Amino acid sequence: GESVGLHLPTLSVQEGDNSIINCAYSNSASDYFIWYKQESGKGPQFIIDIRSNMDKRQGQRVTVLLNKTVKHLSLQIAATQPGDSAVYFCAENIVSDSWGKLQFGAGTQVVVTP
Amino acid sequence: KAGVTQTPRYLIKTRGQQVTLSCSPISGHRSVSWYQQTPGQGLQFLFEYFSETQRNKGNFPGRFSGRQFSNSRSEMNVSTLELGDSALYLCASSSSPTRRVSDTQYFGPGTRLTVL
Repeated sequence: GESVGLHLPTLSVQEGDNSIINCAYSNSASDYFIWYKQESGKGPQFIIDIRSNMDKRQGQRVTVLLNKTVKHLSLQIAATQPGDSAVYFCAENIVSDSWGKLQFGAGTQVVVTP
Repeated sequence: KAGVTQTPRYLIKTRGQQVTLSCSPISGHRSVSWYQQTPGQGLQFLFEYFSETQRNKGNFPGRFSGRQFSNSRSEMNVSTLELGDSALYLCASSSSPTRRVSDTQYFGPGTRLTVL
């Protein structure tokens, strides 16, 4: 079949506001989740992670929430700054045979406006 | 610590050629994973090496191969290049102390491959 290009959802946020980026993951057995930020021309940069035995974890200006019941992950960024403009990816650890591997979501484009 | 480095950063090849990309992980990291990133398919897992052994593989044809050396540096090779192989190839390293749970992966800047 024809391949369809990914259309990244875009979140437009005013500088200083809080951002919430959502992610639905696929495997109920996934036990580890990571958020990455990718700026144009760069590789993904680790932001924060969470294990499945937790439902919330906080970092500097960021909070990750995990809802295993509905297989949903969110990233909250407090007081969004222009430097937060990037594509944000969630990733889940898929256990295949005896080794885990990361499966990435399509990503969300965050645009911070002044 | 120095981050993950990838060489070359940019590469232009023609259809039918082959290419080798190199990745040096963070010092002390023994796991290296490779990903292909395209606008159409997003970030897709190619394979992972740990202590010179491939321990996980994605759904890519056999034209894509890799290896890891005793110093944990890794190379990936793509033979008989096709136009659709144009992509950003990313390498990520982790210390990966456990078998079942992926440890945090740290990415390099990528190699931008263009196939003409």
